[in-house]
Amino acid sequence: EDQVTQSPEALRLQEGESSSLNCSYTVSGLRGLFWYRQDPGKGPEFLFTLYSAGEEKEKERLKATLTKKESFLHITAPKPEDSATYLCAVPAGAAGNKLTFGGGTRVLVKP
Amino acid sequence: NAGVTQTPKFRVLKTGQSMTLLCAQDMNHEYMYWYRQDPGMGLRLIHYSVGEGTTAKGEVPDGYNVSRLKKQNFLLGLESAAPSQTSVYFCASSQTGDTQYFGPGTRLTVL
Repeated sequence: EDQVTQSPEALRLQEGESSSLNCSYTVSGLRGLFWYRQDPGKGPEFLFTLYSAGEEKEKERLKATLTKKESFLHITAPKPEDSATYLCAVPAGAAGNKLTFGGGTRVLVKP
Repeated sequence: NAGVTQTPKFRVLKTGQSMTLLCAQDMNHEYMYWYRQDPGMGLRLIHYSVGEGTTAKGEVPDGYNVSRLKKQNFLLGLESAAPSQTSVYFCASSQTGDTQYFGPGTRLTVL
């Protein structure tokens, strides 16, 4: 059974204090890994898709990387507006047309 | 483009009452999904559809029914609401079955 585990559950950062979030997965064959951002009271917002080990993608202060067993979301010099819950997910099922999500990491960036 | 919209935004039901949640997307996506999100449980797939006229069960389908009579709409029904169905419900759509785009959510309380 596909499993996705995110750590830590919560992260408190000072503005400018860089850190990394972890997403580890157990799947029979990786068909992609997705990162989403979710603000309180809103739906998840798509950030990145990574398809192969070694791949990296960046967006503003966020950088996602992928290995064969895990993915990291690096937040460089975060600002208070980066406060959100970050979710990762992997395709599931034989056809890979549905996602299994991790529990998320709640990030709070204090000014 | 409005993207993915959900109706209603909030609803309070009494145990045993029925209701239908409506999801609409204007991106001509083939795939549509219904999730529920509960504290400590993350996003869990209820039902999904791989095209107009099709539906399939997800991880937690009991107590829910769905219909996809039109490509742009995906309805989630609760025939006899229970307090355990108190949750935030998210709809999502996808063109290819991988990257999903989410609606703003419906907050449902069952008393």
